[in-house]
Amino acid sequence: NAGVTQTPKFQVLKTGQSMTLQCAQDMNHEYMSWYRQDPGMGLRLIHYSVGAGITDQGEVPNGYNVSRSTTEDFPLRLLSAAPSQTSVYFCASRMTGLSNQPQHFGDGTRLSIL
Amino acid sequence: EDQVTQSPEALRLQEGESSSLNCSYTVSGLRGLFWYRQDPGKGPEFLFTLYSAGEEKEKERLKATLTKKESFLHITAPKPEDSATYLCAVAFYGGSQGNLIFGKGTKLSVKP
Repeated sequence: NAGVTQTPKFQVLKTGQSMTLQCAQDMNHEYMSWYRQDPGMGLRLIHYSVGAGITDQGEVPNGYNVSRSTTEDFPLRLLSAAPSQTSVYFCASRMTGLSNQPQHFGDGTRLSIL
Repeated sequence: EDQVTQSPEALRLQEGESSSLNCSYTVSGLRGLFWYRQDPGKGPEFLFTLYSAGEEKEKERLKATLTKKESFLHITAPKPEDSATYLCAVAFYGGSQGNLIFGKGTKLSVKP
């Protein structure tokens, strides 16, 4: 059972570089989301999607773009990496957009910006 | 302001020493409260959902309870493999579809 798959697991970037974090789920879930996890802070929502072609901003969207062309995939793009974006990024999915359903998380991408 | 607070930040137990973790919340209307377990280098793993005050859920040595203001995760006779960070998250009415509030977690260490 693959669940939510994130790639890469680790990445080091230089300030100003761009990159895409990949996320795929095989559970046919409508809802997908991206979080960042920083030391001493709770998970914070970056962007989310309630279905193919529909995305919206979360709590901390600046510096990130998303798109959802298929149900399975929800990539996160860093446009011009900054040291403040050094973090662990988690992708999650749940069956529908109803927030009272649990989310299933991938194992994260650990990103360092130099 | 909607808020979720977990305590303690860290808890060290001896194997077999039962204890409880707390998640207190201040939200306009609770839709659901979630408990997750997170191991180092891994993503959060779903444990329980609680929807209304008085509800309880159990899984092996873990038991989650819910009141109108807080939830407890009781750990009975813990083993070293229960060592992890436990996260609480709250979904609430009035928030956007995408939003949950996560607590900062309680890091549990169980020594043999």
